Amino acid sequence: GQSLEQPSEVTAVEGAIVQINCTYQTSGFYGLSWYQQHDGGAPTFLSYNALDGLEETGRFSSFLSRSDSYGYLLLQELQMKDSASYFCAVGTGGFKTIFGAGTRLFVKA
Amino acid sequence: NAGVTQTPKFHILKTGQSMTLQCAQDMNHGYMSWYRQDPGMGLRLIHYSVGEGTTAKGEVPDGYNVSRLKKQNFLLGLESAAPSQTSVYFCASSSNYEQYFGPGTRLTVT
Repeated sequence: GQSLEQPSEVTAVEGAIVQINCTYQTSGFYGLSWYQQHDGGAPTFLSYNALDGLEETGRFSSFLSRSDSYGYLLLQELQMKDSASYFCAVGTGGFKTIFGAGTRLFVKA
Repeated sequence: NAGVTQTPKFHILKTGQSMTLQCAQDMNHGYMSWYRQDPGMGLRLIHYSVGEGTTAKGEVPDGYNVSRLKKQNFLLGLESAAPSQTSVYFCASSSNYEQYFGPGTRLTVT
């Protein structure tokens, strides 16, 4: 079957750096994406990696290692508003996307 | 530019009833998808479409049907609702890897 594994919860302090890992096992791979979802809201796109390496977008960075079927989202200078759920997602081909179960991030003052 | 809109926002159905969830996008995107999200779980793909008149099954298609008669609209039908279909339903559209999600429809089947 196809699966994406990510931690269920992460807690960090305001101003700190946090890394959310994602490992995947899918029948096809056409890129790893990250989405943020606040309670009661819709998921919003954060980042995308099709090739190995680091992509940086402001305070957020995302990394991919295709040989390890692994990626992570790095959030720097954490703010209270970053408290949300974060989902990794893999494009498996034919425009199908499989999502992980999500990581709930709690940012403490 | 409204992005992706979904109607209704909330709905309560009785077991065995049918209904259609509506999704519209004004970004001229070719790809549209329907997901369901249950507590503590990620988004699970129900059906998707790569263009007008074409649809395909996702991870959890049973009990649902879809239609994409116009490029901007993607409809999700529940033929005979079951309590297991109580969920939040999200529609998404995209032209590449970045998906834009609608605000969701919270559906309860009693």
